[in-house]
Amino acid sequence: QKEVEQNSGPLSVPEGAIASLNCTYSDRGSQSFFWYRQYSGKSPELIMSIYSNGDKEDGRFTAQLNKASQYVSLLIRDSQPSDSATYLCAVGGATNKLIFGTGTLLAVQP
Amino acid sequence: EPEVTQTPSHQVTQMGQEVILRCVPISNHLYFYWYRQILGQKVEFLVSFYNNEISEKSEIFDDQFSVERPDGSNFTLKIRSTKLEDSAMYFCASSERAGGLGGELFFGEGSRLTVL
Repeated sequence: QKEVEQNSGPLSVPEGAIASLNCTYSDRGSQSFFWYRQYSGKSPELIMSIYSNGDKEDGRFTAQLNKASQYVSLLIRDSQPSDSATYLCAVGGATNKLIFGTGTLLAVQP
Repeated sequence: EPEVTQTPSHQVTQMGQEVILRCVPISNHLYFYWYRQILGQKVEFLVSFYNNEISEKSEIFDDQFSVERPDGSNFTLKIRSTKLEDSAMYFCASSERAGGLGGELFFGEGSRLTVL
């Protein structure tokens, strides 16, 4: 069973701080990795994708991938209350589908 | 900005009734998906569809479920005889390339199904 694991949280950070979200996956053949944000009652919204080892930055967001450790992370700099949401890690392997983790609830305190 | 649209946004049905959920994927996308999310749980894969046929399905996607692309724009999920445990939010998604090969999935707003 291919699994994607995330700490469910809540992760509470003060406004302006860096939020660090982590994800591990079980399938060594995984090739594509995504972070989605999901507000309560809403659909997942794509934030970032990453495919190769290292860091990828997009504005306040940085995704990090370490395939040897089967580990993906998302850093959110200068966290804002509007960043408060559940962050979903999704992993793709050799098939069409993405497998989602349970998500980490982030709460940014004003 | 192109988006995936889903109808209805909320459907209430009696156990045993048939339900059809509709989706219009992004127009140049080739891969289509249905996922579901039971309240408080994770987003679960149901089925992927490419080139007018199912390319992969999960254990959840049993004989009660079917998908169809009846024309060039719509993508539907049918549940033949709904059960209480089918109550969930159903998300349609589409991508240009296969999700597992780097394709970014874009999700619709979801259809909330409540089975009484």
